[in-house]
Formats: sequence, C-alpha cells, structure tokens
Amino acid sequence: QLQLQESGPGLVRPSETLSLTCAVSGGSVTSNGFYWNWIRQPPGKGLEWLGSIFHTGTTYYNPSLKSRGDISLDTSKNQFFLNLKSVTAADTAIYYCARDPILTGFHEGFDFWGQGILATVSS
Amino acid sequence: QSVLTQPPSASGPPGQRVSISCSGGRFDIGLSPVHWYQHLPGTAPKLLIYSNNQRSSGVPDRFTGSKSGTSASLAISGLQSEDEADYYCAVWDDSVTGYVFGSGTKVTVL
Repeated sequence: QLQLQESGPGLVRPSETLSLTCAVSGGSVTSNGFYWNWIRQPPGKGLEWLGSIFHTGTTYYNPSLKSRGDISLDTSKNQFFLNLKSVTAADTAIYYCARDPILTGFHEGFDFWGQGILATVSS
Repeated sequence: QSVLTQPPSASGPPGQRVSISCSGGRFDIGLSPVHWYQHLPGTAPKLLIYSNNQRSSGVPDRFTGSKSGTSASLAISGLQSEDEADYYCAVWDDSVTGYVFGSGTKVTVL
C-alpha cells in the first residue's frame, strides 16, 4: 500500500523559505504515469493546489505562487520536495503531499495523501 | 487562478438525499474529468469520486457523481451522521496547466 509522509519545520520566519519533504513508501516516484503534488489548506479556508512534478522532472505550478515555489525529486531517496520562498503569514497552512495518476491520459484525482503537516509563518 | 463554484453549505436529516453542485467553465470542467473529495477535520482529504462518476475503492454506492457540460454534481443518498464533512470538487484546468479546487461545501446532518 502506497504511503506518503510529510516532514519539515513547523515554524518559519517571515521572508524565509519553507522547505517540506514528502517521503514515499510502497511505490516509486519514478513510476511512469503519476504526478506528485503539493496541496495546502490555510486555517478556515479551502484546499489550494500548489504544484506538481512528473517522474521526468517536469513541473507545474499554481500561478498564484508567483514564482515563489519550487518542486523537485530525489529518486535515490524516493522523496519529493517543496521550497516556498519569501513566506508571509498568508502561507500559514496545513500542507499535504498527494499522488495523481494519469494512466488513462487524463488526470485521475489525488488518490493517496500524506497526513499533512502544519507550517506556521511567524516571527 | 479560477475557483470552481460550490454552495457553501448543504444539509438534511438522516436518510435524506442531498446534492452538491460544482460550476466551472469550458477550459476546466468543460474539458477534463471532475473529482470529488471528502474532508473531515484533522484528517487528510479522501478521494470519493474520480473521473466524473467512478467511486473510489470502498466508497459506498450512496455517493454518486455526474457531469454535464461545464457543471458537475455530487449526490449523497441515505444521508448518515458520518457524512458530515466538507466536500470539494477539483479538476485539471488546461488554461492554467494546473488543478483548481471548488470553494468547498459543508454538509450537515440535521
């Protein structure tokens, strides 16, 4: 059974970089046909897709991040990462990593999720 | 980035049927399959319906998804107390090359 687990600092200072890791077990980030995603939920708000990475390294980002986001893979460790630069209080949220299959040629939804990690931006 | 429009709330007594709408446009729902998620506080969202009307493994047939044109809907029949949660629709939007989520609907069992 595929499992995803987020890790990273719970507290980040304003203007610094939030760095999160998603460790994948029970499957490989190099498997063809899957996008690996970051999604967040600010307190009291809805879900927001941040971006994704394909096993080839191709990335897609939510335009609202305005080039602050960077998603990468470490195939040797079977992990993928989110770096979010110049954070503000508005970036305080629960951050989730999730898998999105595209085996049919269409995106099939986020079928496996990590438990989520709360990242707070505060001085 | 566009946000798909959902009603903020829906409710009904146990056993009743409730329906949640998700309204989009021609480059999101109009082109791509719609997925539905159930989100309980303190847990990760769960994929309920994928590709418009396919139930994920283990999801009871009380949950039904449909899509027509640029709108989609999720119906919950035989409402149960455990169905109290937030529900989100989501779709890949080709115009921004990314996913967009609906605004979310809180379902309350009266």
